[in-house]
Amino acid sequence: DAKTTQPNSMESNEEEPVHLPCNHSTISGTDYIHWYRQLPSQGPEYVIHGLTSNVNNRMASLAIAEDRKSSTLILHRATLRDAAVYYCILRGLGNSNSGYALNFGKGTSLLVTP
Amino acid sequence: NAGVMQNPRHLVRRRGQEARLRCSPMKGHSHVYWYRQLPEEGLKFMVYLQKENIIDESGMPKERFSAEFPKEGPSILRIQQVVRGDSAAYFCASSDHQDNEQFFGPGTRLTVL
Repeated sequence: DAKTTQPNSMESNEEEPVHLPCNHSTISGTDYIHWYRQLPSQGPEYVIHGLTSNVNNRMASLAIAEDRKSSTLILHRATLRDAAVYYCILRGLGNSNSGYALNFGKGTSLLVTP
Repeated sequence: NAGVMQNPRHLVRRRGQEARLRCSPMKGHSHVYWYRQLPEEGLKFMVYLQKENIIDESGMPKERFSAEFPKEGPSILRIQQVVRGDSAAYFCASSDHQDNEQFFGPGTRLTVL
C-alpha cells in the first residue's frame, strides 16, 4: 500500500492559518488523497479529499502538488476546536487494497493555543 | 438524520467474558467498517461488511473475534474470552458506497480487567 509521511505534531496560534503537510511519494495514479481528523475522545471525521486539483470546502482547503507526491491541508483560521490529530490517507478505487480500508497511520497532532 | 450510533459507549469485562459491541449505521448506509484503536496508537482496520455479508476481514484477529451485519438490526462485533490486550476503543463507520467518505460513530471503549 502506498504510504504517507506526516510530522508528529504541529502548533498554531488561534485565528492564524495552519498548513499541515503530507508526503506520499509512492502514490499511484488512481489514489485519492483523503484527510480525516480525530478530536479528543471522538471518532474520526472526514475533512476533505482530492485527486489532482486543489479543493475547497467549508472546513478546509487541500493543495496538491503538481507531481502529486505531496499535499497540504490548509485550515484558514485555526480555532481551539480544531485541535485534533489529522490523518492524511491514500484511497484507491474500491477494488484495490487501498480502497475501503482507511489506513490511518500516526497522523499529525495539532495543538492550537489561544 | 442521526449519525452512526454505537453502544455501549463504555464496556467493562473481566478476562474470559464475552464482549458484544453494536453499531447502527447512518440511515441509507449499507456498508459498515470496524476499526480498533489501541492506547496511544492509530486506528487499524478490522473488518468490512455489507448487509449479511463479510467482504473483508483481513484485519480481524483469527481467533475469538467475529462480526456480523444482519438483514435487520445493527452490526455486531463480538469478542469471546476477552483478554487484557483487547482493551481498546472500537470504532464503527458506515458509508453509502465503498468509495465514499466514511462516517464514524463515537466508539465503544472496552476495558478488560
